[in-house]
Amino acid sequence: QKEVEQNSGPLSVPEGAIASLNCTYSDRVSQSFFWYRQYSGKSPELIMSIYSNGDKEDGRFTAQLNKASQYVSLLIRDSQPSDSATYLCAVNMIGGSQGNLIFGKGTKLSVKP
Amino acid sequence: GAGVSQSPSNKVTEKGKDVELRCDPISGHTALYWYRQSLGQGLEFLIYFQGNSAPDKSGLPSDRFSAERTGGSVSTLTIQRTQQEDSAVYLCASSLWEGREGQPQHFGDGTRLSIL
Repeated sequence: QKEVEQNSGPLSVPEGAIASLNCTYSDRVSQSFFWYRQYSGKSPELIMSIYSNGDKEDGRFTAQLNKASQYVSLLIRDSQPSDSATYLCAVNMIGGSQGNLIFGKGTKLSVKP
Repeated sequence: GAGVSQSPSNKVTEKGKDVELRCDPISGHTALYWYRQSLGQGLEFLIYFQGNSAPDKSGLPSDRFSAERTGGSVSTLTIQRTQQEDSAVYLCASSLWEGREGQPQHFGDGTRLSIL
């Protein structure tokens, strides 16, 4: 069964710290990986995409991909209270029954002032 | 507009009534998805459409749920004889479809459905 696993949290970090969010996936041939942010009462918003092993940085966000270990992570540097949200990991899985992406259930992040 | 548009934004109806939810995807996106999200829960996949292919209905929870996509664009999700457990936010997303390489999905603002 094709799965994407995330720790549900909540993950609590102090303002200014680095928040580290992790995601593992079951399909070795997955090629595309995405992170979404979902504020309470809002719809998911795409914040990062990564396709190759290694790190990809965008402002305070860094996505890290390790295909051999089948995990992808999101680092948020200098965390702000406005980063408090649920973060969803999404992975493409060929032949999946849910279209091109499988979503994890999300990790809730709380950044304390 | 440039994004995925859903209507209505809120719907309150009595148990047993039928409801129709509408989704207008981003222009040029051939794939369209419906999800359901209950309070504090993850995304529950319902159905997706890709081009002219038969839709994948594997996530529909019962035969009271159906969806169609006319002309490869606008989609309607219909729930017949609504039950209280149908109360949730219904999210629509669309994406390009590039074969093996997954494309990001872009979400609408959702329809909040409340069954009294």
